[in-house]
Parts: sequence; structure tokens; C-alpha cells
Amino acid sequence: EVQLVQSGAEVQKPGESLKISCKGFGYRFSSYWIAWVRQMPGKGLEWMGIIYPGDSDTRYSPSFQGQVTISADKSISTAYLQWSRLKGSDTALYYCGRGAGNSISHHVDYWGQGTLVTVSS
Amino acid sequence: QTVVTQEPSFSVSPGGTVTLTCGLSSGSVSTSYYPTWYQQTPGQAPRTLIYTTNTRSSGVPDRFSGSILGNKAALTIMGTQADDESDYYCALYMGGGVWVFGGGTKLTVL
Repeated sequence: EVQLVQSGAEVQKPGESLKISCKGFGYRFSSYWIAWVRQMPGKGLEWMGIIYPGDSDTRYSPSFQGQVTISADKSISTAYLQWSRLKGSDTALYYCGRGAGNSISHHVDYWGQGTLVTVSS
Repeated sequence: QTVVTQEPSFSVSPGGTVTLTCGLSSGSVSTSYYPTWYQQTPGQAPRTLIYTTNTRSSGVPDRFSGSILGNKAALTIMGTQADDESDYYCALYMGGGVWVFGGGTKLTVL
């Protein structure tokens, strides 16, 4: 069974760094794209970016380019989303999702449970 | 910047049929955008309903269908049930690994 298991909720202060994770189970992790999606409180879904763990090819939505870093370690079937300096506006629920195939244009077919990130002084 | 448009809200009676749409701020939606529909109930992760315009994901009832209507993508729900009350998001593929979500439609069944 395919599963994406995300790391737990985080509470951080503005200016701090943070890295959250998404671990894949039940499939060949290196062969499927992993996407990250933001959902701010009470708001809709926003596409942040996508990575192919096989070769770490990474693409960002223009709105998130330079704001976050997406990475992956295929040896432990885990993708990451990180911030170097958090802002209050980064408070949100973050989902990872698996691309349905090895094409970059595939939709997300499986979703993680979400990681809540709260940034507050 | 590309904006994907959806109705903010919609109401439907139990057993009724509703069609939600997904458009572009400029231009027409075609199959080349691989329109995809996601369902999200409060407190839950999204669930993939329809992809590449009209293909149902595994386990999705056939009362959910996708299409292109005019210059928009559309999600039609027939025989609407109480547990269809959710937020529905469409997503369009813009190329280069970038998708854009619509703002979502809050569907109320009453």
C-alpha cells in the first residue's frame, strides 16, 4: 500500500530555520515525483514545487522560488521542505503528494497527512 | 500571473446534480492543461477525484464525472449525497512542473 507519512507539527519563532519531511512507503520512491502544497489557515491549496528523487530535479512555482528549498534523499525514501528564515506568513498546513507517474506533468495521486507549521513569537 | 477561477460556493439538494467549473483568467481551459479535481473535507488531506479531464481515480463513484464545457473544465456530481459536502479544487498544469490550483468551491448539500 502506498503511503506518505509526514513529520509532526512544528512551532517555531520568526527567523528560525525549519525542515519538515515526507517519507514514502509501498512503492519505488526514486521513480515518482513528490510535490509540496501549502494551505494557509482557512484558505485554499497552493502548489509550491516538485522534486524527482531519482535525480533531485526540482521545480518551483514562481511564488515560492527563493522562499523555500525542496530536497530529497532517495536512500531513505524521504523528501524535505525547508526554510532558512521563517516568517509569520509561513504559518500553514503543508502537504506532500506523490505524482502519479514518472512524468513531471502527472497529477498527485497519493497525499500525506499534512504537517502544521506555526510561526509565532 | 495565471489565475484559475472557480465558483466560491454552490448549493445542491440531496439527490440533485451540480456542475462546478474551472476557468482561466485569460484564455480557455483545454485537455492540454490536464484538468484535475480534488475533494477536501475539513481536517482531511485532499483526495484525488478526477484527472486528465475525465478519468476517475480508483474508488471514486461514477456519479462524479469530469469534462470540458465551453472554455472551462467541469466537475459534475449526480445524485449528490450528504457526504459530498466538501471543498472542491481544480488544478491545471502550466508546464515546467508547475500546477496552479483554483481557489476552491465550497459545496453545500441542503
